[in-house]
Amino acid sequence: QKEVEQDPGPLSVPEGAIVSLNCTYSNSAFQYFMWYRQYSRKGPELLMYTYSSGNKEDGRFTAQVDKSSKYISLFIRDSQPSDSATYLCAMSYTGGFKTIFGAGTRLFVKA
Amino acid sequence: DSGVTQTPKHLITATGQRVTLRCSPRSGDLSVYWYQQSLDQGLQFLIQYYNGEERAKGNILERFSAQQFPDLHSELNLSSLELGDSALYFCASSGGGTGADTEAFFGQGTRLTVV
Repeated sequence: QKEVEQDPGPLSVPEGAIVSLNCTYSNSAFQYFMWYRQYSRKGPELLMYTYSSGNKEDGRFTAQVDKSSKYISLFIRDSQPSDSATYLCAMSYTGGFKTIFGAGTRLFVKA
Repeated sequence: DSGVTQTPKHLITATGQRVTLRCSPRSGDLSVYWYQQSLDQGLQFLIQYYNGEERAKGNILERFSAQQFPDLHSELNLSSLELGDSALYFCASSGGGTGADTEAFFGQGTRLTVV
């Protein structure tokens, strides 16, 4: 079993839809939870990070962490064609250095 | 632009050969990380350096090695290359050496093709 599981998709939605992206994990020691966005042929860029449980909002993006269920989510409101990319969840340990990435979910937002 | 520079962008080489990938971190960042991304494996952490010293090791093969120089740039050396080593290799940098690399900035990657 992988430490981090993420559905690779692809996920196709119409413009303006609410998108929900999710990851599950197995290691309860993870404390830092991140979402990266990767456009084709580009390096991943950090969208949001959350420490421990809770919600965090940044514009159209909301990250949620439920440590009791070992489940994290990224919501994108009013999705735009420019949101079409691969979204990678990532997590790491307190005091640790290496980050474990999910496989990434490919998202297509149709105009 | 993340501020992390990787060269070369593309590399095509034959099996059994050795190549060196180069990374210049963002100005002021002390940590450099190397990742491998292939279609079937996703983004895999290889190794981290902090201010010239190895700090953490992931799933890095013995045929691979890395180092960070006094000017903080880093090189990833891949030897005895196999077809399965074909992948995107990313470098990332961050400011601190302790705790999680929550704000790591990625370069554009080097696409390695082994033929």
